[in-house]
Amino acid sequence: GAGVSQSPSNKVTEKGKDVELRCDPISGHTALYWYRQRLGQGLEFLIYFQGNSAPDKSGLPSDRFSAERTGESVSTLTIQRTQQEDSAVYLCASSLRDSGYEQYFGPGTRLTVT
Amino acid sequence: SQQGEEDPQALSIQEGENATMNCSYKTSINNLQWYRQNSGRGLVHLILIRSNEREKHSGRLRVTLDTSKKSSSLLITASRAADTASYFCATLRISGSRLTFGEGTQLTVNP
Repeated sequence: GAGVSQSPSNKVTEKGKDVELRCDPISGHTALYWYRQRLGQGLEFLIYFQGNSAPDKSGLPSDRFSAERTGESVSTLTIQRTQQEDSAVYLCASSLRDSGYEQYFGPGTRLTVT
Repeated sequence: SQQGEEDPQALSIQEGENATMNCSYKTSINNLQWYRQNSGRGLVHLILIRSNEREKHSGRLRVTLDTSKKSSSLLITASRAADTASYFCATLRISGSRLTFGEGTQLTVNP
């Protein structure tokens, strides 16, 4: 069975450009999470989806960040007008139902804003 | 300080030795999970322990949870060079919807 996949694996963009990061969760997992990890640091929660709705988006750092999920499957995280401080690894995870269950992580997208 | 703090920040041991990492947290939890991360990419789930459990084992891993002290420990026995990684604890607060991760412990196992 396929695990969580993310694309692209690496993205280099110029400051001010928009980027879209994609996550394909494990089939049948209703919960999906986005995290950000800066170099040498822990995971910073961004947003949580249950099905296609986002009951917790409290971790989005600014209105430049948005995310959506469709068909209770793929999710995209969009960062508009990227800044250098957005440089990080963006990790996606899915779990069967909710955070009472283990989370399965994708390999991440390394975003570098120049 | 934040929910889920690991201690020590870094640990270096020889192959065959045991490694113990600790995690402290501040609020009441539903469950606590330990994850491993190699090379700064995707995390791998190791063990989930619920608030009404005190100890769990999985292979060479042993996790304890002391809710009165709001702390957990991860013990890796007979460590191997392949155990070299960062280890994170993550907590789910009661009525919470998402995990809160600590800053991690970097474990180095020297061959």
